[in-house]
Amino acid sequence: QITLRESGPALVKPTETLTLTCTFSGFSLDNTGMGVGVGWIRQPPGKALEWLALIYWDDDKRFSPSLESRLSITKDSSRNQVVLMMTNMDPADTATYYCVHRRGFTIFFWGQGTLVTVAS
Amino acid sequence: QSALTQPASVSGSPGQSITISCTGTIYDIGTYDYVSWHQQLPDRAPKVLIYDVSDRPSGVSNRFSGSKSGNTASLTISGLQADDEGDYYCSSYISTNTIGVFGTGTKVTVL
Repeated sequence: QITLRESGPALVKPTETLTLTCTFSGFSLDNTGMGVGVGWIRQPPGKALEWLALIYWDDDKRFSPSLESRLSITKDSSRNQVVLMMTNMDPADTATYYCVHRRGFTIFFWGQGTLVTVAS
Repeated sequence: QSALTQPASVSGSPGQSITISCTGTIYDIGTYDYVSWHQQLPDRAPKVLIYDVSDRPSGVSNRFSGSKSGNTASLTISGLQADDEGDYYCSSYISTNTIGVFGTGTKVTVL
C-alpha cells in the first residue's frame, strides 16, 4: 500500500524559505523503482492545482518553469523522504501543498496535503 | 505554462450522465495519450480516476470513463450519484515543459 505524508510549518513569514518534507512508504525511490517520481503540487484556497517540482528515482529533477528559480528538490532514498524548498515566500504562495507519487506521466497517489499560510 | 481549459461547472440529476471537457493544444492532449483525470471531493485530497486517456486504476468505479478527440479530452460520469459532487481536474503531459499541466477544474453539482 502506497502512502505519502507531508510535514512542515503551517505558517511562514514573507521572504522566508519554506521547507516541506514528504515521507512515503510502499515504494522505493531508488534503482528498484524505475520510472517512479515523487513530486509536489500546490492548490491556493479555492483555486486550481499547480505543479511545482518532481524528482525521479535516478535523481532527475523537473520544475515548473514559472517557479524554477525559487525551488529545489532533493531525495533521501534510504529514509524514503523527499524535501522541497521554496525561497522568498509571499502571501500569494499561501496554499495546500501536496506530495504525490508519479509513475510514467500519471499521478497515482496523493498525500493528504498540508496548508501553508504566508503572513507576517 | 497555460492551463488546460475546463468548464467551470457541470450539473446533472441523480442517475443521469454528464461529460466534462478538457481542451488543450497540439503540444499536449492533441499529440500525447497521457491524459489523466482526478476527483477532489470537498475538503479532501485529489484521487486519480482515469489515466492514459481511458484506463481506470484498480478500484475505480466503471461509472467513470475517459476519451479523447483531437485537442479535447472528456470525462463521462454515468449514473450520477450525490457523492460524486466535487471538483474534477484533468492533467496532461505537455511537450513545452518537462513537468506537466493541469486543467482549470470543474465543479460538479448533483441537483
